Formats: sequence, C-alpha cells, structure tokens
Amino acid sequence: GENVEQHPSTLSVQEGDSAVIKCTYSDSASNYFPWYKQELGKRPQLIIDIRSNVGEKKDQRIAVTLNKTAKHFSLHITETQPEDSAVYFCAASTGANSKLTFGKGITLSVRP
Amino acid sequence: DTAVSQTPKYLVTQMGNDKSIKCEQNLGHDTMYWYKQDSKKFLKIMFSYNNKELIINETVPNRFSPKSPDKAHLNLHINSLELGDSAVYFCASSRLSPGLAGGASYEQYFGPGTRLTVT
Repeated sequence: GENVEQHPSTLSVQEGDSAVIKCTYSDSASNYFPWYKQELGKRPQLIIDIRSNVGEKKDQRIAVTLNKTAKHFSLHITETQPEDSAVYFCAASTGANSKLTFGKGITLSVRP
Repeated sequence: DTAVSQTPKYLVTQMGNDKSIKCEQNLGHDTMYWYKQDSKKFLKIMFSYNNKELIINETVPNRFSPKSPDKAHLNLHINSLELGDSAVYFCASSRLSPGLAGGASYEQYFGPGTRLTVT
C-alpha cells in the first residue's frame, strides 16, 4: 500500500521567513496530494491540494510543488506569521475508494 | 451551520465498557470516514462508507463496529474498551464516489473530534 513520509518532524522559523515541508510517497499511481493544517485542539483542515497533472499550485502565501518522477511534493509558506504555527499533514491518494494516506505530521513553530 | 458534527466531544469511561460516537454531515456528501489520531498525532484511517456501504476496513480490532444508517450519518461503536483505545476519533466526509479504477479524490471535511479517555 501507499506510504507517505514527512520530513522534518519539527520546524521552527522566525516570523517573516519562509518554511518548506517535504513529503515523499511510494505509490506511483497516487494522483491527489492534499495538505491539511491542524491547530492545537482543532480539526484538520485542508489548506491546499494538487493533482498529478499539475506541477505547482499557489494560493496567496501558500504553494505546493509536485515532482512525480521523484515522487515527492512540498509545501511552501512565505512570510510566515505566528498563526501559521500548527501541525501540517501531507497525504496522498490513488483515488481508489477515496482513501487518503497521511504522513506523520510536522509541527511548525513560528517565532515572533 | 456545522458541516460535520460529532457527539460527544469528550468521552471518559472505564476499561471493559461499551461506547458509541455519532457523526452527522449536512454537506450532501456520499462518503464518510472514521480516523483515529493517537497521542503522537498520527492520523490513521479506520473505516470508510460510501452510500451506506463499507468500502474501507483497515486492520482494526473487531471490537470496533461502524454503522451507517443513511449517507449523512456514520456511527462508531466500540465494545470492551481498552486503555490503548484512548485517542481522538475524527469523523470526515467527502463528495467522492469511488469504485472503478481512475476514481478521483476530493477534500475531506473533518468533524471536531471526540476525545476518548479509557481509565
């Protein structure tokens, strides 16, 4: 089955700096790659997603890039703010049965 | 309006008891899920239903039994609770219709979670 790995497990950046979170996946049939943000004590919420027919997608300060050959995708957050502090999960899906396989999550801390 | 709701929000119970968690979505989605998030924050799929039909059943003890009375509701019943069942359980829904090869995945909307503590 699909295996999704996230690196690093924790990341601390200064406010205003950029943060990059990387994920790798194992199943070349995966075609959907969402990123979820989970604030402390809250539910995971989708912040951006990308499909395999696209190499990059942006939404304001957030962007995701996908390298299908290397089977990895990354989340880029620019001009980080303290409210960006949260756990970020990447996930991958082949579409079969709509199953998402999540990475283990990364805790991002933005220092004021 | 709450899109995906769960009850109860907190559940504290003793080992050996049986408990249920309820989930409802008003998004008109046809697929619903149960996830378990352990103390290390790892999100793991347990079950998924599409139009009341079980489509994902991961390696979960058979003490866990999901039930979907209709496509807007997915409940989780747990028998003979154990200490290791302590976790946050999230319900989610999406508008995917699975089945044939080449199916697409869409955003999953999560409920607020139920924190289960077994003592």
